Amino acid sequence: QVQLQQSGAELAKPGSSVKISCKASGYTFTSYYISWIKQTTGQGLEYIGYINTGSGNTNYDEKFKDKATLTVDKSSSTAFMQLSSLTPDDSAVYYCARSTTIPYFDYWGQGVMVTVSS
Amino acid sequence: DIQMTQTPSSMPASLGERVTISCRASQGISNYLNWYQQRPDGTIKPLIYYTSNLQSGVPSRFSGSGSGTDYSLTISSLEPEDFAMYYCQQYDSSPWTFGGGTKLELK
Repeated sequence: QVQLQQSGAELAKPGSSVKISCKASGYTFTSYYISWIKQTTGQGLEYIGYINTGSGNTNYDEKFKDKATLTVDKSSSTAFMQLSSLTPDDSAVYYCARSTTIPYFDYWGQGVMVTVSS
Repeated sequence: DIQMTQTPSSMPASLGERVTISCRASQGISNYLNWYQQRPDGTIKPLIYYTSNLQSGVPSRFSGSGSGTDYSLTISSLEPEDFAMYYCQQYDSSPWTFGGGTKLELK
């Protein structure tokens, strides 16, 4: 069955970076995009961007262009998101989700909580 | 960016009740509207795509409708597992945006 397994919770200091992962199984990894979505209590769900897992091409929402970097390792069917220059506003739960070229997310990871605190 | 407004933000309801959740876009989105359910443990599942198409495996008590700027999700008869958060998401115009969510609570 299709699964997206995300890495564990992160506690990071302001100004640092974190890299979270999303390991896919149960389907042909390169046949689907992986998107990343941020969830906070105040802002709800926010779309960060996607990576074409076959080509490595990425597309980011303008708000996250300087914050997130999406990469992929096809050999391990894993997508990654690095968040840089962390501030407390980056504290959130981050989800990966699968889609085709149409942004309908039919499978989601379990979410990763990132906490930014000194 | 297209703003998606969901109403109500919370809804107390009873088992067996029929409920409707609304989602209004700040401009027309040509039916490019999806619905998701988030359970209390954080798990997010797809329900409906392109306004009214039921995701495989989703019970037929869920249905979606709408056009232009106004869309809705209806649950015909609430089951215990339906008490959760619901989100709409538009994909007419990038960036894809989500509604603020509706919490369905047991009355």
